[in-house]
Amino acid sequence: SQQGEEDPQALSIQEGENATMNCSYKTSINNLQWYRQNSGRGLVHLILIRSNEREKHSGRLRVTLDTSKKSSSLLITASRAADTASYFCATDAAGANNLFFGTGTRLTVIP
Amino acid sequence: DAGVIQSPRHEVTEMGQEVTLRCKPISGHNSLFWYRQTMMRGLELLIYFNNNVPIDDSGMPEDRFSAKMPNASFSTLKIQPSEPRDSAVYFCASSGTRYNEQFFGPGTRLTVL
Repeated sequence: SQQGEEDPQALSIQEGENATMNCSYKTSINNLQWYRQNSGRGLVHLILIRSNEREKHSGRLRVTLDTSKKSSSLLITASRAADTASYFCATDAAGANNLFFGTGTRLTVIP
Repeated sequence: DAGVIQSPRHEVTEMGQEVTLRCKPISGHNSLFWYRQTMMRGLELLIYFNNNVPIDDSGMPEDRFSAKMPNASFSTLKIQPSEPRDSAVYFCASSGTRYNEQFFGPGTRLTVL
């Protein structure tokens, strides 16, 4: 399976701290995406990093990609209670339009 | 744009009944995806369409599940007959961008008693 796996499965931090989530995958990719899911809602696309990129920033989000290790990390800086959600990485499949979603990291930010 | 629209938002039915879930993708998107999410199994891709044509239905659990996309603006996922183990949140997503970012609907929470 090409499905990614996030690590840790759950993370609890204090507001203001940084949160780091990791994703590992199994096969070659064109790009890797991170999504967020609030409880009871659909997933929302956060950021995409292409296979030829190593790092990307968007606001308080920083994503890194190491294709040699087949891994990615998502860093949320200066976390807020509103960042409490599940975060998923998703990889594409060469020549196809579908994505393979990981198992998710449940982040809790304590006010 | 209203985003991906799903209906109903909640469905409670009894075992053996037919259930039909509906999805309207974002206008202009050419790919549509049906997912199922449960605590035990996480997010599972059931089937996806490109230009209204089913491409991969390997995730459809069994013959009780069927999906159609009669046109670019509408898709249905049908379960007949429904069983309690089908209880889950069903998401529809569409994409049409260069890098295949997916846009998810709010989901349908299905409970089969």
